[in-house]
Amino acid sequence: AQSVTQPDIHITVSEGASLELRCNYSYGATPYLFWYVQSPGQGLQLLLKYFSGDTLVQGIKGFEAEFKRSQSSFNLRKPSVHWSDAAEYFCAVLNGQGGKLIFGQGTELSVKP
Amino acid sequence: KAGVTQTPRYLIKTRGQQVTLSCSPISGHRSVSWYQQTPGQGLQFLFEYFSETQRNKGNFPGRFSGRQFSNSRSEMNVSTLELGDSALYLCASSFRQGGGDEQFFGPGTRLTVL
Repeated sequence: AQSVTQPDIHITVSEGASLELRCNYSYGATPYLFWYVQSPGQGLQLLLKYFSGDTLVQGIKGFEAEFKRSQSSFNLRKPSVHWSDAAEYFCAVLNGQGGKLIFGQGTELSVKP
Repeated sequence: KAGVTQTPRYLIKTRGQQVTLSCSPISGHRSVSWYQQTPGQGLQFLFEYFSETQRNKGNFPGRFSGRQFSNSRSEMNVSTLELGDSALYLCASSFRQGGGDEQFFGPGTRLTVL
């Protein structure tokens, strides 16, 4: 069965520091992968997606992610974190049967001043 | 272009009642998916509608149902509410059915069951 694992429930980084959020997926075929961000009381905003092609994907707000098939990973990175990046981040894979996103449990990011 | 809108934003119901939530997709989008978000279970897929037909369904009891209208607007209904139905219900729209396309999420409806 398809699944997504985000090993880190909560991460705290200092403002200006680099960030890497981990995501591992289980999927038989070539996955369609996504990273979403959710601020408190809000819906999900798409940061970036990977469908095919270049394995390094650029997204909004200075985020990027790298697809590594050999490691079944799709980690999210940002070189310098801003206080406004504090939120919950979700990795997701699109189920091949259509229309269904399978989400990880989320990683809550806190940013220290 | 207006985003996905959901109404109402907040609801309080009591056990045994039923509730209807509404979702208006982005103009031109024909696919609407619904998700339930709870602290314990995270984000779980409920169902997807495209061209007024349910195309995919998650593992939820029959108390959860939905429909889609000809203008692509969708409603979700939960009958005989239980305490465990308290959650944030998110709606997402996309242009195509079945994936291969990004889903745009609305702000959600926060349902509290007392």
